[in-house]
Amino acid sequence: DAKTTQPNSMESNEEEPVHLPCNHSTISGTDYIHWYRQLPSQGPEYVIHGLTSNVNNRMASLAIAEDRKSSTLILHRATLRDAAVYYCILIDYGQNFVFGPGTRLSVLP
Amino acid sequence: GAVVSQHPSRVICKSGTSVKIECRSLDFQATTMFWYRQFPKKSLMLMATSNEGSKATYEQGVEKDKFLINHASLTLSTLTVTSAHPEDSSFYICSALAGSQETQYFGPGTRLLVL
Repeated sequence: DAKTTQPNSMESNEEEPVHLPCNHSTISGTDYIHWYRQLPSQGPEYVIHGLTSNVNNRMASLAIAEDRKSSTLILHRATLRDAAVYYCILIDYGQNFVFGPGTRLSVLP
Repeated sequence: GAVVSQHPSRVICKSGTSVKIECRSLDFQATTMFWYRQFPKKSLMLMATSNEGSKATYEQGVEKDKFLINHASLTLSTLTVTSAHPEDSSFYICSALAGSQETQYFGPGTRLLVL
């Protein structure tokens, strides 16, 4: 079973920021928090990952709660191309990815 | 960097035939690759873990004699669906493990339709 909980779907307006939440209350100290997204008919695309500190890259930012029991993926300005299913995955060394249902993000023009 | 390709992108075959899908890491070497299957409106399900130079590890319920995996080099893993049947029609996706923090990079997927 996936160790994370995400809302089934979210909507955003184009050009506005989007905050995608993920709860992982049973996270262990060595679990990395990974985010991937999957556009229709494509393989998942790596977005960002982190362990304890907040992370930024050209695609997004990852805000990790101090107790690490939740995290938020932040898209600073949503575009129509950001419409996808976003997966939050916990992974420790040597473990396999377990994909939950993810959050389906719709971006409205 | 970290690009993974798959070939073919889509294939249609007759029931009873075998289909081979290739997964390549283009700009890095991958000791470990993974094969997933995704049915419509569903999430990805791990089928097997492919390790270079050794036998693949299959997930529970996945028939190893039906889904043959070969990982003969550090940049290529192949999945062969043997004696394909209509229920094998699905979206097959591979990934390759890169870096030390368990990041996987995924291929674009192969859509298989068995008639």
